[in-house]
Amino acid sequence: DSGVTQTPKHLITATGQRVTLRCSPRSGDLSVYWYQQSLDQGLQFLIQYYNGEERAKGNILERFSAQQFPDLHSELNLSSLELGDSALYFCASRADGINEKLFFGSGTQLSVL
Amino acid sequence: DQQVKQNSPSLSVQEGRISILNCDYTNSMFDYFLWYKKYPAEGPTFLISISSIKDKNEDGRFTVFLNKSAKHLSLHIVPSQPGDSAVYFCAASEIYSGNTPLVFGKGTRLSVIA
Repeated sequence: DSGVTQTPKHLITATGQRVTLRCSPRSGDLSVYWYQQSLDQGLQFLIQYYNGEERAKGNILERFSAQQFPDLHSELNLSSLELGDSALYFCASRADGINEKLFFGSGTQLSVL
Repeated sequence: DQQVKQNSPSLSVQEGRISILNCDYTNSMFDYFLWYKKYPAEGPTFLISISSIKDKNEDGRFTVFLNKSAKHLSLHIVPSQPGDSAVYFCAASEIYSGNTPLVFGKGTRLSVIA
């Protein structure tokens, strides 16, 4: 158990809809990262938050947004969903300090039909 | 532009033999490298790491080698066991940038045959 909790585990929705993925980081971790794993694309970095503030942005579409709340949990909002958004979405958290490793949640499998 | 490349999508090895997984990177600012293992329906889990001041790091059956001049690293698993069958991701980051995100390769699926 990594200590990172993601809900829901599975999500099935239709094109054009909006969904919210939730992540609770490990106790004490201020950094939260979101990654997308599509077929044959490996883990693509989407966005990072640190103590409520956006810290870094990767290949995140404009239709996607995220936030980190005062209790440090984070939500990834995906809107106007397309078939190509079907993927595994992972959240990870990391302690402060040099060379601290990422701890991943078990992911949310999103299927857009 | 892929900064971390794992050119072998899959690898099959017999139980007891050595597994060698390779990874290349293009960003010369990368100073810290990690390997993650992923089983189906689970998140990636940390396996082993190496910083640029070293060329080798060992942890039990797992050894990572780093060749900075070639921008290449490899993960050796000896001896390979059926439980090692998983997808292995190579990742890299810049040490001095603190909480910069890890950049991952596409992964190599290792199958260890009993």
